[in-house]
Amino acid sequence: GAVVSQHPSWVICKSGTSVKIECRSLDFQATTMFWYRQFPKQSLMLMATSNEGSKATYEQGVEKDKFLINHASLTLSTLTVTSAHPEDSSFYICSARLPGYSNQPQHFGDGTRLSIL
Amino acid sequence: ELKVEQNPLFLSMQEGKNYTIYCNYSTTSDRLYWYRQDPGKSLESLFVLLSNGAVKQEGRLMASLDTKARLSTLHITAAVHDLSATYFCAVDYGGSQGNLIFGKGTKLSVKP
Repeated sequence: GAVVSQHPSWVICKSGTSVKIECRSLDFQATTMFWYRQFPKQSLMLMATSNEGSKATYEQGVEKDKFLINHASLTLSTLTVTSAHPEDSSFYICSARLPGYSNQPQHFGDGTRLSIL
Repeated sequence: ELKVEQNPLFLSMQEGKNYTIYCNYSTTSDRLYWYRQDPGKSLESLFVLLSNGAVKQEGRLMASLDTKARLSTLHITAAVHDLSATYFCAVDYGGSQGNLIFGKGTKLSVKP
């Protein structure tokens, strides 16, 4: 089955640090990947749609300069949280869909728990 | 406004009992997904419902979709402790990239 790998799984760092999260599709090519954010005991909120070879599409209220997305290849998208602060602490999850979009569920990575001190 | 509402948000039940989780959505869609999330983990795909009247079953879980009523249900039969998790429905609201709107989730706790 389709596998999406996310790395790292847990990051703890000091305020002001920039943190990069990787999302890889291991056995398929994904022209589109999605980045979600989940606060404790809440649902997933789509942050942005990552498009291979072009700019990401950000949801309303998500700062593109704060959350940098790079989708440089068909199997890798990265999310960089720049100058992270405690309010950026959250669970970040990426997903990708198998090509031939229409009837496929999104496959989710294992998530990255980000804690900013 | 695009909304996906799940009900209930929290459910505690005993093993062996049945219950139904409801997912209402506000926009026309013929693609609805159910996911399971265990604490601290990511999402696991359970069901993909693609048409009106679709019904899918896997073990003690059965999902259905009524696109006219904009309603999906996830029915739990004879619950067991291993089903304890948070269940999310998500609606594909279309567009070329297939973005999803998630419900708030239903946290299910099955007690022995």
